[in-house]
Amino acid sequence: EIVMTQSPATLSVSPGERATLSCRASQSVSSNLAWYQQKPGQAPRLLIYGASTRATGIPARFSGSGSGTEFTLTISSLQSEDFAVYYCQQYNNWPPVTFGQGTKVEIK
Amino acid sequence: QVTLRESGPALVKPTQTLTLTCTFSGFSLSTSGMCVSWVRQPPGKALEWLALIDWDDDKYYSTSLKTRLTISKDTSKNQVVLTMTNMDPVDTATYYCARYYGAPGENWFDPWGQGTLVTVSS
Repeated sequence: EIVMTQSPATLSVSPGERATLSCRASQSVSSNLAWYQQKPGQAPRLLIYGASTRATGIPARFSGSGSGTEFTLTISSLQSEDFAVYYCQQYNNWPPVTFGQGTKVEIK
Repeated sequence: QVTLRESGPALVKPTQTLTLTCTFSGFSLSTSGMCVSWVRQPPGKALEWLALIDWDDDKYYSTSLKTRLTISKDTSKNQVVLTMTNMDPVDTATYYCARYYGAPGENWFDPWGQGTLVTVSS
């Protein structure tokens, strides 16, 4: 089973600033990685797939990069609606599907 | 527009069997590449994948929970059912169903249902 590790657990950022979230896989997942955003009381929403392709309707301030075992989600200028928990998910080797433990982006 | 909606009991007792239904629209589970999956999330914790069923009726389960899980589909009703036996308070979570693509290299969840909170308590 591929273990996904996200860091940091919590990221405190001021509105308008840049946020950089990391996701590491225990073995290579190529570019088979997705990112999800989850706001309180809501279901997760797909942000990024293929490590760097934005899903339909996702603003350009969200970008993904990386391949192999190291991945990054960058939010270029945080808006109030971006404060949420973000999860990465690998789909290179499944089953099982595996998620990271999440990074909470909170207001500084 | 693709939508999914979970339904089932909000409260179950320890040792009971949980049955959840995912009713979806906007796609067919008989279409090649289509899958529906279940994911759960204990309060304040991370997402945990549970099970998946594909268009060809192949089924996949979480290694740690496979002895307790059964997933099935009714293509004519656009429904997927998940049963989990021997429920325990640690199984208290919000249970989500989501569409999943089974084609190689396209295996992400989109969209998700709103989720249903299941509490296990006597």
